[in-house]
Amino acid sequence: DIQMTQSPSFLSASVGDRVTITCRASQNILTYLNWYQQKAGKAPKLLIYSASSLQSGVPSRFSGSGSGTDFSLIISSLQPEDFATYYCLQSYSPPLTFGGGTKVEIK
Amino acid sequence: EVQVVESGGGLVQPGGSLRLSCAASGLSFTSYWMHWVRQAPGKGPVWVSRINTDGSSATYADSVKGRFTISRGNTKDTVYLQMNSLRVDDTAVYYCAMGMLSPDYWGQGALVTVSS
Repeated sequence: DIQMTQSPSFLSASVGDRVTITCRASQNILTYLNWYQQKAGKAPKLLIYSASSLQSGVPSRFSGSGSGTDFSLIISSLQPEDFATYYCLQSYSPPLTFGGGTKVEIK
Repeated sequence: EVQVVESGGGLVQPGGSLRLSCAASGLSFTSYWMHWVRQAPGKGPVWVSRINTDGSSATYADSVKGRFTISRGNTKDTVYLQMNSLRVDDTAVYYCAMGMLSPDYWGQGALVTVSS
C-alpha cells in the first residue's frame, strides 16, 4: 500500500497568514493527489484535484503543487472560515490512502 | 446541484449485517465511479471501496475484503454497500462519494454503530 505522510499534524496560525501543508508519498504517484478540507461534523470537501487543479467554487487563495512523491497545499491568506482539518489523498493505486491530517487552528 | 444522500445506518450487533444505500443526483450517474469512505470517531477518513461506472469492477480495502460488497443500480442512480460479519471496529460514519478514480462529491454520511 502507498503511505501518505502529511505534515505538520497541527498548525497554529493567524488570519492573513500564508500556510503550507505538505504530503509525501511512499512511492511515485505522478499527480494522482487530492486535497480535502473537513470541518467538525461535516463531510470532507474537495479543494484540489490532480495535485494542482482548483475544484470549481473553491477560493483562489487555495493552491496545490507537486508531482511524484512531494506535494503541497498552500493557503495564501488564511481566512476565518479556513480553520479546519486538511487531508491529502492518493488515487494512483488502490487502496486509496489518506494522509494523517493537518488541523489548522487560530493562534 | 450535485446531491449525494446516504441511508441505512444504525445500530447492529457484532457479527450482524447492514446495507447502506446512496442516492446521487445532479450529475450523470453512469459516468462516475462511486466510493465509500468511513471515518471512526475522532479519526481521519479511510477509503473502503469503489466501483466503476458499469459495476463490472470493484475494489476494497483489506480490512473489509470478503465482508463488504459494493454494488450499483444504474437505473436507480443508487449505490449500495452490503456489510456482513460486522465488527466493533467497523463503527464509523460512512460516506458515499461520486468521482472518477477519487471521491469528489460527498454525501453527509451515515452512522454505523456496531455494539452489543
